[in-house]
Parts: sequence; structure tokens; C-alpha cells
Amino acid sequence: DAGITQSPRYKITETGRQVTLMCHQTWSHSYMFWYRQDLGHGLRLIYYSAAADITDKGEVPDGYVVSRSKTENFPLTLESATRSQTSVYFCASRPSGPYNEQFFGPGTRLTVL
Amino acid sequence: AQSVSQHNHHVILSEAASLELGCNYSYGGTVNLFWYVQYPGQHLQLLLKYFSGDPLVKGIKGFEAEFIKSKFSFNLRKPSVQWSDTAEYFCAVQYGNKLVFGAGTILRVKS
Repeated sequence: DAGITQSPRYKITETGRQVTLMCHQTWSHSYMFWYRQDLGHGLRLIYYSAAADITDKGEVPDGYVVSRSKTENFPLTLESATRSQTSVYFCASRPSGPYNEQFFGPGTRLTVL
Repeated sequence: AQSVSQHNHHVILSEAASLELGCNYSYGGTVNLFWYVQYPGQHLQLLLKYFSGDPLVKGIKGFEAEFIKSKFSFNLRKPSVQWSDTAEYFCAVQYGNKLVFGAGTILRVKS
């Protein structure tokens, strides 16, 4: 049972380039989430999805785009990367229903030069 | 806006010392509460959770937390820490579909 995986695990890119971070879960969880982790801020929600083709903004959505054509995948795209988007990105998923916790992927460390 | 506050950003303890990490949240309605732990270089793992019922919740590795509704608090405790508890601890509160995290507390346990 692979659970939730993210790729790549590490990425270095340059300002202005487009970058896509992948997230895949094998549990068929309805909900999927993208967070960024920055020192002193904890984890902040970028976007989330309640089901395939249903997405919504979180706390810090600017500069990011998401899609969810299949339940198991939830890619995050930085359309034109900026240095302020250097961060560790975590994907998470959880089943539907109010009494379930989120399960986190291993994270992607992104550096924008 | 909903917010979660963790009182200490860095805590240093000696092995066998007792631990209490504070967590307060801003919303007065029904919430689900969590503590997650992130060991160095690893992803977040669930320590414990509270949805309803007994306000004293027991989690993994000897951790427990107490929900005090009147104080909007969900403090994490452990009677005797070990060197292996060195990690970053995050309090999180679920508001609807969204999970809001505190800024985290970095715990270092000296052996």
C-alpha cells in the first residue's frame, strides 16, 4: 500500500519557469490538499479539492494552479515561479466525512533561484 | 479569520522532563482538533485527535492532550520525554473542510 506519494522530492528551478508538483494517493480519498511549509508559519493551505473536478482556494493561492481530473491525482502548478515560492510543499488526503484526519505525503522541497 | 496559536516556538528539555505545549484557537463553535509531529527529515504524522467525547485524549508514544472548550485550548502533554521525541509539533484545528495549523513548536530533548 503506497499511500500518498509526491514527485519530485527535490526541485531546483529558476524564476519565471513553470513547475508542476505531482501528488498521487492510492486510498481513493475524496479530499486532497496542498500546503506549503515555511519557518515560523507552520503549514498554510494553498488549494484543496473535495472530489474530481472540484477545487477551492485556501489561505495562500496566488501564483498557483491546481487541477483534479482523476480522484487519485492532484497536481500543483507554479505558472511562473518566484523566489518567494521557495518552500517545502506537502500534499495530503483524507476520506469524506467530518471525523477523519488528513494523511500527509513526504513533501517536495522546491528552491527557486 | 480562524487562527491557531502555539505559545512556544522552541523548547529545550532534558530527558525525563515533563512536556506541555500550549495551543489555542480562535473559533468558538464545534471544531476537530489534532496534534501532528514531524521528525527531522520526515513528513507529518498524526499524534492524536479529538472529535468529541472525553476531553482527555491519549495518542501514540505516550502523548496526551486535553481539550478545554471554555479556554479554546488543546494542550499537548507527555510526562517524561525521550531523546527520540526531538521533533517539530503542530497543533491543527479543522474548520469545515479546512485544517488550520499553528506555527509549530520545535522540541529538542537533550540526552
